[in-house]
Amino acid sequence: AQSVTQLGSHVSVSEGALVLLRCNYSSSVPPYLFWYVQYPNQGLQLLLKYTTGATLVKGINGFEAEFKKSETSFHLTKPSAHMSDAAEYFCAVTRTLNRDDKIIFGKGTRLHILP
Amino acid sequence: KAGVTQTPRYLIKTRGQQVTLSCSPISGHRSVSWYQQTPGQGLQFLFEYFSETQRNKGNFPGRFSGRQFSNSRSEMNVSTLELGDSALYLCASSSDRGGEKLFFGSGTQLSVL
Repeated sequence: AQSVTQLGSHVSVSEGALVLLRCNYSSSVPPYLFWYVQYPNQGLQLLLKYTTGATLVKGINGFEAEFKKSETSFHLTKPSAHMSDAAEYFCAVTRTLNRDDKIIFGKGTRLHILP
Repeated sequence: KAGVTQTPRYLIKTRGQQVTLSCSPISGHRSVSWYQQTPGQGLQFLFEYFSETQRNKGNFPGRFSGRQFSNSRSEMNVSTLELGDSALYLCASSSDRGGEKLFFGSGTQLSVL
C-alpha cells in the first residue's frame, strides 16, 4: 500500500529564509508525486508534480522539489520565503495516473512565515 | 472557465441527521473525487466517480455514499451523522481518467452538534 509521511505538522521560517518541507513516501512501484498548497478558506491547488523524467521539478511561486528514489523522499523547497507563502502544504502519491489508484495525501504541514 | 463549485459552503447538523453535499466539476471534467479533511488527519479519500461509476472507494463506513449524474455533477450523502463527521469535505475534479492534476473546490464545512 502507498503512504506519505510529512515530517512536522507546523514549520516556521523567517521571511527571506529557506523553506524546506519534508515528505517521504512508501510505494511498491515507481510513484507519481505531487505537492499541493491550501490557502485559508480555499481548496487545494497543485504546486508541482513528478511523473517521469527530470528528478528536480519546478513549480509555481518559486517552489521546487527533488525526487530522490534512494531516500524515498520528495522534499519541497523555496530559496526565500515570502509572507504570502503562509499556507498548508500537502504531499501526495499515486501509483498510476489512470485513476485505478487513488491519490493518497499526507497529513499536511502548516507553514508560518515570521516577519 | 468556472472552477469546481461546492454547495453549501457551511452546514450545521445534529447527530442522527443526514446531509447531502453537492459538487459541480469544471466543465468537461468527468472525474470527481471526494475527500474529508480534519485537523491532524489531513485529507482522507472517500470515493471517486468517473462517468457515473464509482471507480475507487476509501475506508469509510457505509453511512458515506455518493453518486454522479450524467452531467458529471456529484453528490455525497452522510446518513446518521456522528460528532466525528464534523470536517471540511472537499471535492476535486480532473479532466480524464488520468487524474494527473486535481482541481479542488473550496469545500463544505460540516459541523455536527
